Amino acid sequence: DTGVSQDPRHKITKRGQNVTFRCDPISEHNRLYWYRQTLGQGPEFLTYFQNEAQLEKSRLLSDRFSAERPKGSFSTLEIQRTEQGDSAMYLCASSPLTSGRENEQFFGPGTRLTVL
Amino acid sequence: DQQVKQNSPSLSVQEGRISILNCDYTNSMFDYFLWYKKYPAEGPTFLISISSIKDKNEDGRFTVFLNKSAKHLSLHIVPSQPGDSAVYFCAASARDTGRRALTFGSGTRLQVQP
Repeated sequence: DTGVSQDPRHKITKRGQNVTFRCDPISEHNRLYWYRQTLGQGPEFLTYFQNEAQLEKSRLLSDRFSAERPKGSFSTLEIQRTEQGDSAMYLCASSPLTSGRENEQFFGPGTRLTVL
Repeated sequence: DQQVKQNSPSLSVQEGRISILNCDYTNSMFDYFLWYKKYPAEGPTFLISISSIKDKNEDGRFTVFLNKSAKHLSLHIVPSQPGDSAVYFCAASARDTGRRALTFGSGTRLQVQP
């Protein structure tokens, strides 16, 4: 399977703990995105990488959130000192640089975070 | 401030009939629009897209129409099939600004009755 994969699929944590999620994009895709989705809403953009460079960050990405893509392949999203409002589905997507398809973002299955 | 709005949270149609899902946007910088389909426990799946230089794009049973003056787009599914039952999200991007973020609507749940 060559789709976007995310790990873990589910995470339950206590308020105040740190969590880290991993995303493996489609192998030939240079661009990688993180989104957050809460119940009844569409995905909300968090951040975007082209190769290892983080080129866009949303205002939603507070200083408790940090994302990395150290070698331009997989990416991690860390949330420090989690709060109950962080409970959401965290989605990763990737897209190619190929002209004509660069705007199609391919999504992974998501990591569902529950903060107790 | 919702820049992409899907005002119908749900839609039910009979198998074989047309499904029309609507989307409105407010940001005039948006120049590329996409529709995604989402099944439970899966990530959104890309369906079809349209550039602002076009007013229609067709792919099999799926057609997207764009009315720039009204800042409105719609997705037509003909004929509708039970397997089309899912949540459909409209999304927009402002490519010419160099931004890659997609702005999503809140989704419309489509149910196709056999």
